[in-house]
Amino acid sequence: EPEVTQTPSHQVTQMGQEVILRCVPISNHLYFYWYRQILGQKVEFLVSFYNNEISEKSEIFDDQFSVERPDGSNFTLKIRSTKLEDSAMYFCASSGSSGGTNTQYFGPGTRLTVL
Amino acid sequence: QQQVKQSPQSLIVQKGGISIINCAYENTAFDYFPWYQQFPGKGPALLIAIRPDVSEKKEGRFTISFNKSAKQFSLHIMDSQPGDSATYFCAASMGSNGTALIFGKGTTLSVSS
Repeated sequence: EPEVTQTPSHQVTQMGQEVILRCVPISNHLYFYWYRQILGQKVEFLVSFYNNEISEKSEIFDDQFSVERPDGSNFTLKIRSTKLEDSAMYFCASSGSSGGTNTQYFGPGTRLTVL
Repeated sequence: QQQVKQSPQSLIVQKGGISIINCAYENTAFDYFPWYQQFPGKGPALLIAIRPDVSEKKEGRFTISFNKSAKQFSLHIMDSQPGDSATYFCAASMGSNGTALIFGKGTTLSVSS
C-alpha cells in the first residue's frame, strides 16, 4: 500500500539554525501539506501546495517557513531560523487528484527538537 | 468559526463496550468530516470520513453519525478492543483537495481488558 514517508524521524538543532524536513508523498498525489503537532496538543495546519504553488497557509506559516518541491518526488519544509517554540512533530500529508475529496494521508512525522 | 470542538478529552471504556466521541463545528462551509486515529509516535491515520449529504456511515465497528442542523458529528466504536486504545481526532474541511483540515483537540481512548 502506498504511503507517505518522511526523513529524518528526529532532528535536533540549535536555536537560530536552519532545518529542512523532507517528505516523499504518495506518488500519484497532486496536493501536499505540512502540519505540526506540539506535544500533547492538536494537529495544526501549516500549508498546502499544488502545482508548484502554495494553495493555502495558516498564520503559523510566517516568513520563517518555506516549502519546495525540488524534484518529482520530494516535498520539503524549511525553517530558516529555528526558535524554541518550533519544537514539535511535523507531519507531511498528501491527497489525490484534482476535484476529488480532501482525503489526506499522513506520514509518520519528524520530531524537531530545538535547543 | 474555524474551530472544531471535540469531547471528551479522555475516555475509558471496558472491552466490548461502545466508545462515543463527539465533535461540533460552526463553519457551515465545511463539507468533509474525517476521523483520524493516532498511536503514540505515529502519524494520524484516516479511519473513516463522511460528507454532510448522509446522516450515518458505517465501516466495520466504526460508525460516524452526522447531524447537519446541529452542526455535530460523532464517532461510535462498537465492541471496543484494547487495540483501539489510541488518540482520536475529528477534523473538518471545505472538502476540495488542497484545503486545510481543521482538527479537534483529540480524545485519548483507553480500552481496559
